[in-house]
Amino acid sequence: GQNIDQPTEMTATEGAIVQINCTYQTSGFNGLFWYQQHAGEAPTFLSYNVLDGLEEKGRFSSFLSRSKGYSYLLLKELQMKDSASYLCAVIDSNYQLIWGAGTKLIIKP
Amino acid sequence: GAVVSQHPSRVICKSGTSVKIECRSLDFQATTMFWYRQFPKQSLMLMATSNEGSKATYEQGVEKDKFLINHASLTLSTLTVTSAHPEDSSFYICSARKGAEDYNEQFFGPGTRLTVL
Repeated sequence: GQNIDQPTEMTATEGAIVQINCTYQTSGFNGLFWYQQHAGEAPTFLSYNVLDGLEEKGRFSSFLSRSKGYSYLLLKELQMKDSASYLCAVIDSNYQLIWGAGTKLIIKP
Repeated sequence: GAVVSQHPSRVICKSGTSVKIECRSLDFQATTMFWYRQFPKQSLMLMATSNEGSKATYEQGVEKDKFLINHASLTLSTLTVTSAHPEDSSFYICSARKGAEDYNEQFFGPGTRLTVL
């Protein structure tokens, strides 16, 4: 079966750095997305990785290792507004988007 | 930009009634739109893929006669929940794919919270 694993919840301090991990077992791989979802709102796009390595975009970076079936989202200089759920999603060989359950990130002052 | 709107944002209805939710891509044409359902503290669940001018493709376990999808134009898809029941109460989210490639990013609408009494 297809499976995406993320931690259910993480807590971090304002101004700090946090890494949210995502491991996947899917039938094929055609890319991985990270989305941010605030409570009661729809997801918003953060990043897309299809090749191994680190993609940096401002305070957010996303890393992919296809051989390990592993990705992480790195958030730097955390702000209170970063409190949200972070969803990992993988495109499989049929170009279906498989969603993880999301990681709820709680930022404390 | 790539903006997707949904209407209504919230709806409360009586059991047995039907509810229509609209999803519009405001500044781009979307050949493909997706309908998701999300229960509290759970991940997005894809209900169906909607292609303009053709029948929607439903995921396993989703009743096509209960969740009617119409993608009549390149900027509008509608989801009608027929004979709604309390267990249909959920957050319904649509998304639209901007490009023609399957790996293109999906842009999400703001969601519709449905409460069936």
